[in-house]
Amino acid sequence: AQSVTQPDIHITVSEGASLELRCNYSYGATPYLFWYVQSPGQGLQLLLKYFSGDTLVQGIKGFEAEFKRSQSSFNLRKPSVHWSDAAEYFCAVGAAGANNLFFGTGTRLTVIP
Amino acid sequence: EPEVTQTPSHQVTQMGQEVILRCVPISNHLYFYWYRQILGQKVEFLVSFYNNEISEKSEIFDDQFSVERPDGSNFTLKIRSTKLEDSAMYFCASNVGQSYEQYFGPGTRLTVT
Repeated sequence: AQSVTQPDIHITVSEGASLELRCNYSYGATPYLFWYVQSPGQGLQLLLKYFSGDTLVQGIKGFEAEFKRSQSSFNLRKPSVHWSDAAEYFCAVGAAGANNLFFGTGTRLTVIP
Repeated sequence: EPEVTQTPSHQVTQMGQEVILRCVPISNHLYFYWYRQILGQKVEFLVSFYNNEISEKSEIFDDQFSVERPDGSNFTLKIRSTKLEDSAMYFCASNVGQSYEQYFGPGTRLTVT
């Protein structure tokens, strides 16, 4: 069965510090992987996606993620966090020809001055 | 930039009442989706819709739910007889094809009292 695990429910970082949000997935087929961000009261905004090719993908707002097939992981990183990055981050997995996305439970990021 | 829109942003209804949540997907998109997020929980897939019919649905999408594309632009989710546990944020999404990223609307917060 497909599943996505985000082991960190809540992370607090200082502004300017680096960030890594973890995501592990379980999927029988070749996965399509996504990171979405949700600001309070807002919808889901796509940060980046991995379909194939280069395993290090760049997204918007300075985020990047690396697909590691051997570890079934797709961790999200940012070298220097800004206060505006405070939000909920969701990892999701889908597959070619599939209709639905499976989401993780999310990681809430707090940024302190 | 085109975006998915949803109305209303917040709907309050009494248990047993029918509600219709409305979405306008991005105009050249062909696949449409509904997801829900119960407060504090993960985003869950409800249903996907293509070529005027349901292409996939989850076990959450039981007989009290229905979807429709009444015209060339709107995509609706109807809940026939709402229950307290239907209280959630409902997200509409669309994409150009099954293997492409889904674009999400801002959501409709449904509160059933």
